[in-house]
Amino acid sequence: QVQLVESGGGVVQPGRSLRLSCAASGFTFGSFVMHWVRQAPGKGLEWVAAISHDGSDKKYADSVKGRLTISRDNSKHTLHLEMISLRGEDTAVYYCAKSLSGSYWDSFDYWGQGTLVTVSS
Amino acid sequence: EIVMTQSPGTLSVSPGERATLSCRASQSVSSSLAWYQQKPGQAPRLLIYGASTRATGIPARFSGSGSGTEFTLTISSLQSEDFAVYYCQQYNNWPPWTFGQGTKVEIK
Repeated sequence: QVQLVESGGGVVQPGRSLRLSCAASGFTFGSFVMHWVRQAPGKGLEWVAAISHDGSDKKYADSVKGRLTISRDNSKHTLHLEMISLRGEDTAVYYCAKSLSGSYWDSFDYWGQGTLVTVSS
Repeated sequence: EIVMTQSPGTLSVSPGERATLSCRASQSVSSSLAWYQQKPGQAPRLLIYGASTRATGIPARFSGSGSGTEFTLTISSLQSEDFAVYYCQQYNNWPPWTFGQGTKVEIK
């Protein structure tokens, strides 16, 4: 069965960096677009970043462009989100999510359980 | 950016009753519309994609309809496990992939 397991969250001071990971199993990881979606405490869902199946193309929300970098290692079935210059508004649960069909034009059919990032001094 | 607007914000429904949730897009998204269910402390779960296709394992009491800018999620007979927050999402024009603000379905 498909599993996505995020890790790397924690409490970090403003301006510092953090790297999130998402370990994937149960499907052909290298065939699917992958996404990061975040949810601030008590708020709705906000798409953050997406990466093509082979890592050659990446998309970002304007709110994170230049500070967050999505990457993937298909040999290790792992998705990453490198976060620098963190701000209070980056505080959220971060979910990795799998595209249903491997295309950008699709919904997200599997989600991890999320990892909480808290930016606070 | 396409803005997704859901209504109502909160829907109070008795178990066994029908629930109708609405989602409006600021411009046409064709049928590239998904619905997700999220329970407290859990990740979102895909219910409907392509505006009307149920995802794997989703009960038949969940149905989706609409195209263009107006969409509806209907839960025909609410079960206790259906009380949750529901989000619509468009994936026709990206980036960004955008979500509605959510509709909370609560017990009346």
